[in-house]
Amino acid sequence: KAGVTQTPRYLIKTRGQQVTLSCSPISGHRSVSWYQQTPGQGLQFLFEYFSETQRNKGNFPGRFSGRQFSNSRSEMNVSTLELGDSALYLCASSLEGYSTDTQYFGPGTRLTVL
Amino acid sequence: TQLLEQSPQFLSIQEGENLTVYCNSSSVFSSLQWYRQEPGEGPVLLVTVVTGGEVKKLKRLTFQFGDARKDSSLHITAAQPGDTGLYLCAGAHYGGSQGNLIFGKGTKLSVKP
Repeated sequence: KAGVTQTPRYLIKTRGQQVTLSCSPISGHRSVSWYQQTPGQGLQFLFEYFSETQRNKGNFPGRFSGRQFSNSRSEMNVSTLELGDSALYLCASSLEGYSTDTQYFGPGTRLTVL
Repeated sequence: TQLLEQSPQFLSIQEGENLTVYCNSSSVFSSLQWYRQEPGEGPVLLVTVVTGGEVKKLKRLTFQFGDARKDSSLHITAAQPGDTGLYLCAGAHYGGSQGNLIFGKGTKLSVKP
């Protein structure tokens, strides 16, 4: 079974630009969660999608958005990039998205904002 | 705000030494997960503990959930360079979704040969 894949793996952008990251979950998984990981704040939850609907949202500004397609693939978008958005963005998939479900993480997209 | 405090933040030891990593909270969790993240990769789930006082062993790794389900520890016996990585704990509440997982900031372990 293929794991969670994320594209691109690395991205360099400048302030003010926007970026779209992609995540393909494990086949059969309907829940996709996105996290931001930084050395200072650790792993912080962005949002979770289930059956094309955003089911949970973390404490991030509206510049961060996402969506999920009918095949469970998900994208997240960050508009008007700021220097502080530099981070590793991880997506994770699970069967139904319960906290007791095993989450499988992708390798992440390393975003650098200059 | 629920927090999971992990200690120590950094740990650098020699191959063959033992170590313990702690994960503490003032909140009660229905289960606690431990992950290991290697450089350039996403976290990988090692174990989930669900019962207060529970002890689980995974080869040289021993995980314990506190009796009150507020804290947990990870003990590694005879550490090897392959154990190097970031160890994360995450607390979950029964019936919650992935969005309700609370992650600690992690313990960065370096095992030197």
